[in-house]
Amino acid sequence: QQQVKQSPQSLIVQKGGISIINCAYENTAFDYFPWYQQFPGKGPALLIAIRPDVSEKKEGRFTISFNKSAKQFSLHIMDSQPGDSATYFCAASKDNQGGKLIFGQGTELSVKP
Amino acid sequence: ETGVTQSPTHLIKTRGQQVTLRCSSQSGHNTVSWYQQALGQGPQFIFQYYREEENGRGNFPPRFSGLQFPNYSSELNVNALELDDSALYLCASSPYTDTQYFGPGTRLTVL
Repeated sequence: QQQVKQSPQSLIVQKGGISIINCAYENTAFDYFPWYQQFPGKGPALLIAIRPDVSEKKEGRFTISFNKSAKQFSLHIMDSQPGDSATYFCAASKDNQGGKLIFGQGTELSVKP
Repeated sequence: ETGVTQSPTHLIKTRGQQVTLRCSSQSGHNTVSWYQQALGQGPQFIFQYYREEENGRGNFPPRFSGLQFPNYSSELNVNALELDDSALYLCASSPYTDTQYFGPGTRLTVL
């Protein structure tokens, strides 16, 4: 059962533009929602994470927006740069499971110069 | 860099063989999780070890097994390899919180 659905599968953005990736989850027990960035040949690296007690979290050019009632959350990358070209994964977990992450299927982002 | 290391980097095996993958956790982390990432897919949770005990398992058959050692390093063992086991195997360590730090992975190819 797919518990975290991610879209789009791929995204092309011009340098300086805004990249938006969306995720939807089914299990209302999830209470931790991280985003990971993965470059080819590397493991996923934690980018930013949010808990459902806030609706938005911003770190530099990266912002998570969270809609608890819709069971959706999204990643916004402002002023996208070619170096941001990577695959992005959303994930979710339940706090009492100490970190069993359920991942989305990934979004391949390409930022054109 | 996360401080999580994995070995080997790449591995080629034939169907039916057994394989052992190794992970060295980040200093101070007592929890290690293993994930399987097929090409073009998100990582899938295999199992987690906390203080040398299995602490949760995903939808993987018993031929996937693991160990965690007193120094919190870990092994993933896969018996009777199948073609579908070809994937990137990721190890993630954490101090028993949600924040997990991934290693670079081991690319396993089963022929």
